[in-house]
Amino acid sequence: GIQVEQSPPDLILQEGANSTLRCNFSDSVNNLQWFHQNPWGQLINLFYIPSGTKQNGRLSATTVATERYSLLYISSSQTTDSGVYFCAVELDFNKFYFGSGTKLNVKP
Amino acid sequence: GAVVSQHPSWVICKSGTSVKIECRSLDFQATTMFWYRQFPKQSLMLMATSNEGSKATYEQGVEKDKFLINHASLTLSTLTVTSAHPEDSSFYICSARDWGNTEAFFGQGTRLTVV
Repeated sequence: GIQVEQSPPDLILQEGANSTLRCNFSDSVNNLQWFHQNPWGQLINLFYIPSGTKQNGRLSATTVATERYSLLYISSSQTTDSGVYFCAVELDFNKFYFGSGTKLNVKP
Repeated sequence: GAVVSQHPSWVICKSGTSVKIECRSLDFQATTMFWYRQFPKQSLMLMATSNEGSKATYEQGVEKDKFLINHASLTLSTLTVTSAHPEDSSFYICSARDWGNTEAFFGQGTRLTVV
């Protein structure tokens, strides 16, 4: 099956710092989404980004489908950004595969 | 974005009993819904895919007789954990998409504890 690897697995930032999270995948995909799982477990959609670049406030994402990776940028991090960030890819229709996540801890 | 509501948010049940978890799409019709399981500090694993009006498709290794899925309408799917045991304790998350949308939206999850 497809391999979805996220790096780094853990990240500690001081409030205000910037960071880049990476998602590598081993096969061509139809869909890629980034999620933030907050400390209560809720998954929040961040980006639907099978290719190209999108920005939403302090967050932006870029997917280079031909090179099989996606990047999530967090600028001016805040404590509320803490949690786990997952990327998920869709290989066949309706089959999503999740990476192992990046656990982010933003300290005040 | 679209809203997917999951209920209950958490449940504690006795070993041997059954528990039903509901997943509703509030502002769109979900032709397809997905059920995931997440163990502590791990990623999400797809359990099954349900399509409205037809039987669910289970992933390899998932016991369909233990995890009963019903997708009776375009806005509701249910997951019933039958004869629950402590090893079924986990975080269960549903997601949904409508026919014309390739983006999947997730519920807030249900934390099941079997004692």
